[in-house]
Amino acid sequence: GAGVSQSPRYKVAKRGQDVALRCDPISGHVSLFWYQQALGQGPEFLTYFQNEAQLDKSGLPSDRFFAERPEGSVSTLKIQRTQQEDSAVYLCASSLAGAPGNTIYFGEGSWLTVV
Amino acid sequence: GNSVTQMEGPVTLSEEAFLTINCTYTATGYPSLFWYVQYPGEGLQLLLKATKADDKGSNKGFEATYRKETTSFHLEKGSVQVSDSAVYFCAHNLGGGGADGLTFGKGTHLIIQP
Repeated sequence: GAGVSQSPRYKVAKRGQDVALRCDPISGHVSLFWYQQALGQGPEFLTYFQNEAQLDKSGLPSDRFFAERPEGSVSTLKIQRTQQEDSAVYLCASSLAGAPGNTIYFGEGSWLTVV
Repeated sequence: GNSVTQMEGPVTLSEEAFLTINCTYTATGYPSLFWYVQYPGEGLQLLLKATKADDKGSNKGFEATYRKETTSFHLEKGSVQVSDSAVYFCAHNLGGGGADGLTFGKGTHLIIQP
């Protein structure tokens, strides 16, 4: 596709359930990012991949959060044993290569509500 | 640490009014600076950027100048339209995520009334 595609767009999970959020970056983009955006806040960095390598996961809030990009393209963000505080929009973004000032392209986000 | 601070919203203006949204940053280094816009129901889009001091980014009538001496990147537009109603995020690229990773402000909700 032409842009970054995320699925599902909306997810309601019961507390304690596991969820998996998928990201299809722009074809050929080396860098892939996950951000978490709580209601009324700016996006907060979660993790970063360069191809299949996860180079930075300093933003993951707990060990319940796990991300992978096994073939250097599609990425999945998994949240285990979801809690209410995990309710947020999860944004995926990609860019062509890791150079300062590169344009990062964002998907529309996956809206997660934990009840 | 690395952070971005922008003015609280919502900001409500009449059509054709002059717009300023303030943004200041702290960074341990020399970041690139960005404004992103999020229209209702859509994803974040890059509005403009500046990669070094005194650069001016501009797009769609918006502009912002990278001021190193005041660590600021204020967004301005001379005459706003109803279609400019959106949430605007200031950001820099120092923080998590390598050379491209962004640190965002909390966003400013702009409402333009006809």
